[in-house]
Amino acid sequence: KQEVTQIPAALSVPEGENLVLNCSFTDSAIYNLQWFRQDPGKGLTSLLLIQSSQREQTSGRLNASLDKSSGRSTLYIAASQPGDSATYLCAAHYGGSQGNLIFGKGTKLSVKP
Amino acid sequence: EAQVTQNPRYLITVTGKKLTVTCSQNMNHEYMSWYRQDPGLGLRQIYYSMNVEVTDKGDVPEGYKVSRKEKRNFPLILESPSPNQTSLYFCASSFSPGAVSGYTFGSGTRLTVV
Repeated sequence: KQEVTQIPAALSVPEGENLVLNCSFTDSAIYNLQWFRQDPGKGLTSLLLIQSSQREQTSGRLNASLDKSSGRSTLYIAASQPGDSATYLCAAHYGGSQGNLIFGKGTKLSVKP
Repeated sequence: EAQVTQNPRYLITVTGKKLTVTCSQNMNHEYMSWYRQDPGLGLRQIYYSMNVEVTDKGDVPEGYKVSRKEKRNFPLILESPSPNQTSLYFCASSFSPGAVSGYTFGSGTRLTVV
């Protein structure tokens, strides 16, 4: 069964700290992996998408990596800010017409001023 | 602005009263999908559509219907809602499954069935 796990479920850090969010997946035949941010009462905002042929993607202070062989992806956030507080979700796509994203349950990040 | 628009944002209804949650996208995406999000279960796919008049079941389709008469719209229909359908619902769209541009999600519809 294809599963995605995110640990820890919650994380609290002081402002300015660099941090890493972890995502692991059971099936390494991944097509791509997408990181999202979810704010309370709002939808999912796409942050980064990594294709299976890529090792990493960067956008501003965010860097996502993908290691298919170990079944892991990480989201690195540099110089964290209170505005980064949100729940971060990773979602694996395994191809096929169903286009189903297999989501982890998320890491709730709190950045303290 | 490129976006997926869902309506309503919040809805409280009674068991058995038919309802429709609308979803519209302005990006000319061919692929659209519905998810529900529940505590402890995460997001799960309900239905998806590859194009106009092409729809299929996702992982948790029981109690739901969809239609795709126009490319931009993909409504979710609950013909006889039950309390176990209380959830946060998201519509998503993409050029195609697995497109490099990824999926765009709507802001969500919080449904409560009493």
